[in-house]
Amino acid sequence: SQTIHQWPATLVQPVGSPLSLECTVEGTSNPNLYWYRQAAGRGLQLLFYSVGIGQISSEVPQNLSASRPQDRQFILSSKKLLLSDSGFYLCAWSEQGAGEKLFFGSGTQLSVL
Amino acid sequence: SQKIEQNSEALNIQEGKTATLTCNYTNYSPAYLQWYRQDPGRGPVFLLLIRENEKEKRKERLKVTFDTTLKQSLFHITASQPADSATYLCALDRGAGSYQLTFGKGTKLSVIP
Repeated sequence: SQTIHQWPATLVQPVGSPLSLECTVEGTSNPNLYWYRQAAGRGLQLLFYSVGIGQISSEVPQNLSASRPQDRQFILSSKKLLLSDSGFYLCAWSEQGAGEKLFFGSGTQLSVL
Repeated sequence: SQKIEQNSEALNIQEGKTATLTCNYTNYSPAYLQWYRQDPGRGPVFLLLIRENEKEKRKERLKVTFDTTLKQSLFHITASQPADSATYLCALDRGAGSYQLTFGKGTKLSVIP
């Protein structure tokens, strides 16, 4: 069966520090991969999605970036965190193709202080 | 501009009654609409998907309707139980062939014993 791993579960970082969040999927191949952010009182915001290795589409221009170095690995990064980057970060995967349901990871609660 | 509105932020209902949640959208032409359940501190979990050419979908105590003329989906939980208490999110794509899924802010359902 398929599983998605996301870590760490919680993270407290100072403003201006770098960020690296990792997500891996097991039990499937060539999935679509997604990064979402959920800020307090707001809905899920799509940040990046990827339909294949090295293929990244950005939804929101800001100081975050994403990479997909392997088929089932998706990384969210920042060189310098801002206070506004605080939130609940969720990785998700779906089968290839449009119109597929998403399977979410357990999320990372990021607090930037 | 594009909007997804879930009619209420919170809904309280007596155990055993039917809960009805609403999702309205503007300036979208989705090929499908999905409903997810999210518990506090967890990632959303997929519940149901309904396509634009389907009027109704059922799964156990859950029922979803989709009216593309009204641009509305209704999500029903019959014989509600305290364990159904959670936030329910609707999500829709941006048209046929789209990989991106946009979420509403959710409705927090509380089922009172």
